[in-house]
Amino acid sequence: AQSVTQLDSQVPVFEEAPVELRCNYSSSVSVYLFWYVQYPNQGLQLLLKYLSGSTLVKGINGFEAEFNKSQTSFHLRKPSVHISDTAEYFCAVTYTGGFKTIFGAGTRLFVKA
Amino acid sequence: GAVVSQHPSRVICKSGTSVKIECRSLDFQATTMFWYRQFPKKSLMLMATSNEGSKATYEQGVEKDKFLINHASLTLSTLTVTSAHPEDSSFYICSARHWTGQMMNTEAFFGQGTRLTVV
Repeated sequence: AQSVTQLDSQVPVFEEAPVELRCNYSSSVSVYLFWYVQYPNQGLQLLLKYLSGSTLVKGINGFEAEFNKSQTSFHLRKPSVHISDTAEYFCAVTYTGGFKTIFGAGTRLFVKA
Repeated sequence: GAVVSQHPSRVICKSGTSVKIECRSLDFQATTMFWYRQFPKKSLMLMATSNEGSKATYEQGVEKDKFLINHASLTLSTLTVTSAHPEDSSFYICSARHWTGQMMNTEAFFGQGTRLTVV
């Protein structure tokens, strides 16, 4: 079955510290990978996406992610977080066979002063 | 990027009534739209896939008679929650994709969501 696992439900971190949010997906021949951010009572905003090419993807707000095919992972990183980064982050995978997008359970990033 | 507009953003209804939520693609033609439901502090669960001009495909466990989906045009899909009950209270989000040339666009664009509260 197709699945996306976000290993951490909550990640507390101090302001200006680095952070990594982990994401693993079930193996498939071809996938597209996404990270979204959601602020309270709002929809989803795309942070970055991997479609093909370079495995290191840079997105908005200083975030980046690295696609690792052998480990079926797509971890999100930011070298220095801000209070405003506090939000829910979702990893999502589109299996190209069906074009459905499946979401991980989400990781709550909480940035402390 | 492309814009998807969802309306209303919030709705409160009485138990037993029906509520319609609209999802519009504003600057592109959405051949396929998806409806998700999000419980508090939970992830998005795909409810159904809606293709223009055909019946929606529902995910396992989703009651098709309860959650009516209509995708009558390339820019509009609607989700109607029929005979709503308090347990239907949730955050509903739509997303849309479109064809670019010969393939479906790889990115789905999301609406801002609808907070439904059934009292």
